[in-house]
Amino acid sequence: DAKTTQPPSMDCAEGRAANLPCNHSTISGNEYVYWYRQIHSQGPQYIIHGLKNNETNEMASLIITEDRKSSTLILPHATLRDTAVYYCIVVPGGYQKVTFGTGTKLQVIP
Amino acid sequence: GAVVSQHPSRVICKSGTSVKIECRSLDFQATTMFWYRQFPKQSLMLMATSNEGSKATYEQGVEKDKFLINHASLTLSTLTVTSAHPEDSSFYICSATPPSGPNNSPLHFGNGTRLTVT
Repeated sequence: DAKTTQPPSMDCAEGRAANLPCNHSTISGNEYVYWYRQIHSQGPQYIIHGLKNNETNEMASLIITEDRKSSTLILPHATLRDTAVYYCIVVPGGYQKVTFGTGTKLQVIP
Repeated sequence: GAVVSQHPSRVICKSGTSVKIECRSLDFQATTMFWYRQFPKQSLMLMATSNEGSKATYEQGVEKDKFLINHASLTLSTLTVTSAHPEDSSFYICSATPPSGPNNSPLHFGNGTRLTVT
């Protein structure tokens, strides 16, 4: 699996957009970018994923650069409940086994 | 949406006893499930891949005789921590995914089991 690099921590003011970067410079053509988050003492929660195109759902937007070497997860209006560890993972299509890096600890500040 | 249920959410046991954790896919069949372990302030570490109808595949460094995995049906995998010791205290999480559609289905995770061995 391609490795990812994320900043260890970030702060965001409540109500503002949270932009979480992820570097995956060794990503292969058939690998998807997935984002999960883990709120304290809970299982990881799926947020969004994409292959090449930008994606948006009710939770977030995923912006993937044209060369696919990096991506940004955008939470448009962060709330205190978005405080969590966010994991960026790259996985080949159809492949279920994933390994987690250290993620980014996002702290939303009132 | 796809739901993975884990039971129990918390368990306390005495050193030397065994503990069984269940992982169920509630609205889909999963031929493969995954078990993770997470220590405080650390990331999830993949322990093993549970395969329906066959032996589990363990990651390097994970003792298969200590962490027994049974995947007897398409909706249930169990992890048994045998002869538990205090160092086995951890947060255990399972995951599964529905059959992949054209846009690649994501993994869904259970809410985890907090094991405390006294």
